Amino acid sequence: GQQVMQIPQYQHVQEGEDFTTYCNSSTTLSNIQWYKQRPGGHPVFLIQLVKSGEVKKQKRLTFQFGEAKKNSSLHITATQTTDVGTYFCAHQTGANNLFFGTGTRLTVIP
Amino acid sequence: SAVISQKPSRDICQRGTSLTIQCQVDSQVTMMFWYRQQPGQSLTLIATANQGSEATYESGFVIDKFPISRPNLTFSTLTVSNMSPEDSSIYLCSVEVEANTEAFFGQGTRLTVV
Repeated sequence: GQQVMQIPQYQHVQEGEDFTTYCNSSTTLSNIQWYKQRPGGHPVFLIQLVKSGEVKKQKRLTFQFGEAKKNSSLHITATQTTDVGTYFCAHQTGANNLFFGTGTRLTVIP
Repeated sequence: SAVISQKPSRDICQRGTSLTIQCQVDSQVTMMFWYRQQPGQSLTLIATANQGSEATYESGFVIDKFPISRPNLTFSTLTVSNMSPEDSSIYLCSVEVEANTEAFFGQGTRLTVV
């Protein structure tokens, strides 16, 4: 499975600042899932996007799936220290296997 | 949802030996997967555990090195065979209750090979 690239690899923000991570693929994706992994923890599912141009919100988190279904973004408004962790996008292939992006590690400075 | 019990949580093993990791789910699930995660890296899919048949391995992973069993819809094992220090990593079990839905992960097994 093709690995999806995420940028940035690392991001340090002051608490209260916004944060965005981008997920990019050279091929069309059937869907995008986003996961959060806290330091020392395991990945936890956040959301799944399926439709072209889809936008979903969860409190301070906004998820977008590109019109061409080749990219996605996760935006966090007014970060908090509880947002610390690594955010992964992931996509499923026809065989239903889930492949993870390279991840963006977020540090929030109090 | 699904609750996953993965054992052991960590182990330190001598090179040349083998370790079997167990993954027990509290409900029947369609899909079970095994991942490897090097420190500070992303998750790499090792294989899909198929009930009653041989696992489906991803490129770079072979059955002789990572034999997998899945005797039923709630249990799977991954063995890391003939270990070397390069096998030191976190191994994660993952399940999907239904296909094309969210994945749930076990707590992971932190393996150190010395």
